Amino acid sequence: QSALTQPASVSGSPGQSIAISCTGTTSDVGGYNYVSWYQQHPGKAPKLIIYDVSNRPSGVSNRFSGSKSGNTASLTISGLQAEDEADYYCSSYKSDTTEVFGTGTKVTVL
Amino acid sequence: EVQLVESGGGLVHPGGSLRLSCGASGFTFSDYAMGWVRQAPGKGLEWISAIRGSGGSVNYADSVKGRFTISRDNSKNTLYLQMNSLRVEDTALYYCTKVRGTVSPNDWGQGTLVTVSS
Repeated sequence: QSALTQPASVSGSPGQSIAISCTGTTSDVGGYNYVSWYQQHPGKAPKLIIYDVSNRPSGVSNRFSGSKSGNTASLTISGLQAEDEADYYCSSYKSDTTEVFGTGTKVTVL
Repeated sequence: EVQLVESGGGLVHPGGSLRLSCGASGFTFSDYAMGWVRQAPGKGLEWISAIRGSGGSVNYADSVKGRFTISRDNSKNTLYLQMNSLRVEDTALYYCTKVRGTVSPNDWGQGTLVTVSS
């Protein structure tokens, strides 16, 4: 099962906006509106920050937003803050009733 | 508050077996699908398996199909992962997850470390 493709790293200055892409196929990202995004700080468990492409769980900052176009989903972090420095993973439901994660993106706040 | 507590990890030789457990609280366990995700040291996340609330439907990643078995005991609010024929590449931190829908992780435990080495 091939992982979804994410950039290895993205960086930005405090206050800036950054976007992380997540590219799959018509069998996963492009075929379903079931894309999730997770934030993982070093040594910690992942935390769900976006589900079903663009929905935020209760308690997640509205600085995080998600979208999708074709086979590519995107996570945008606006008003970048030092606490946003972490690894970010996308995931998608697949046609074979499994889930596939992205390769992960390290976000650095300059 | 959802709480997921994994246990059962440890050091095992290649070809050996191990059973992981995940105790759940803070929600009606039988109403939700549950799953396992792993993360090899310094690597990304890998979805492993999920099981419906009733236990009647299970799904596996190709990498573990035929070697790992997911199960649950709704009377004990506990999820299991029986791991057989373990390989060095199965070394990872194994996370228990409460699932949204049928397979997508929503809430995560803190993980239990499995090391496969001779």
